[in-house]
Amino acid sequence: DAGVTQSPTHLIKTRGQHVTLRCSPISGHKSVSWYQQVLGQGPQFIFQYYEKEERGRGNFPDRFSARQFPNYSSELNVNALLLGDSALYLCASTLGEGAGANVLTFGAGSRLTVL
Amino acid sequence: AQTVTQSQPEMSVQEAETVTLSCTYDTSESNYYLFWYKQPPSRQMILVIRQEAYKQQNATENRFSVNFQKAAKSFSLKISDSQLGDTAMYFCAFMKGAQKLVFGQGTRLTINP
Repeated sequence: DAGVTQSPTHLIKTRGQHVTLRCSPISGHKSVSWYQQVLGQGPQFIFQYYEKEERGRGNFPDRFSARQFPNYSSELNVNALLLGDSALYLCASTLGEGAGANVLTFGAGSRLTVL
Repeated sequence: AQTVTQSQPEMSVQEAETVTLSCTYDTSESNYYLFWYKQPPSRQMILVIRQEAYKQQNATENRFSVNFQKAAKSFSLKISDSQLGDTAMYFCAFMKGAQKLVFGQGTRLTINP
């Protein structure tokens, strides 16, 4: 079975631009979460979606938005990019309910560089 | 709000040695989960071990075991017979229910040949 897949793996943007990051969860997983990992730090929670509904939101500005599609894949959008948005963006999926709800499987991440 | 603290930014041991990574956390919750994740240079976050707070028995996974002290809010990871492939960043993390993971700052572990 394929794991959590993220695209693109690397991208470079300039300040003020917009970026869309994509995530496909493990087959059967209904919940997707997004994390931002700045170099040298632990990941910070951005969003969690379950069954296409937002279940949680971290302390990030409104420039960050996300959605989950009927096939449970997800997009993270960031508008008006700032230099400080440069980070590794991690997507994780879980079953979303039952015993497996708290076991997150992570993708390899999308490395965003803002110049 | 929950916080997770890893007080050892870096550690280095020889292959086959045993190493213990420290983690403390702060929460007012009684039911929660604690995790250790490994992040090698490939960047992918890999689950090493998971502990449910209501279970008194310490979790073990092959060469990896934890020392969970609920009253002290301490959750250390012991790696026995360390291998070169254990070289990675290790993150301690907290979760209440099926909500967000709260990560510590990480410990960079190097296993030397």
